[in-house]
Amino acid sequence: DIVMTQTPLSSPVTLGQPASISCRSSQSLEYSDGNTYLSWLQQRPGQPPRLLIYKISTRFSGVPDRFSGNGTGTDFTLRISRVEAEDVGLYYCMQATQFPYTFGQGTKLEIK
Amino acid sequence: EVQLVQSGGGLVQPGGSLRLSCAASGFTFSTYWMTWVRQAPGKGLEWVACIKEDGSEKYYVDSVKGRFTISRDNAKNSLYLQMNSLRAEDTAVYYCARGRTITYWGQGTLVTVSS
Repeated sequence: DIVMTQTPLSSPVTLGQPASISCRSSQSLEYSDGNTYLSWLQQRPGQPPRLLIYKISTRFSGVPDRFSGNGTGTDFTLRISRVEAEDVGLYYCMQATQFPYTFGQGTKLEIK
Repeated sequence: EVQLVQSGGGLVQPGGSLRLSCAASGFTFSTYWMTWVRQAPGKGLEWVACIKEDGSEKYYVDSVKGRFTISRDNAKNSLYLQMNSLRAEDTAVYYCARGRTITYWGQGTLVTVSS
């Protein structure tokens, strides 16, 4: 199984400041079709997860442009350019390249 | 508007069975893979199972193979998860979700396995 490792596991951030979360996979996530199926999800307290980014860097519908993703192969990063109060919650990376699909452990974003 | 409305959770004894349902609307259900994901209390997300558009391919996480069965009824725009031989460690909120890359999520339904 592909292991997804996120760092940090907790990220205290000042409002208006940037934040970044890293995700490393135990093997390359590039699929045979040339795509890399790495997604980022946000889970606010008490809510279902919500897709933010898919295929490394494509923002999902309705996601603010302060969220961005990049990376290649086995190393990926989610960036928030200016953290807002509504961004508090858990963030997960997920690979959908190889079954069984797997998630990172989650990173808790909180306001300082 | 894409909607995934779940039902069927609850309390069940170890060794028991439960069937989860997910009613989809707002998109052409028969053209999407569908997925189940679970989240144990206070824990992270765990992918459980996936089914192809026509039901011809199904994939499971090892911990549920032989006990859980994912299925769908495209005529009813519905996804199902039949869970047998339930264990305490299956206690979780179960989410149905659209697609292999999981673009939309249901509201979740709690399954509690306890005597």
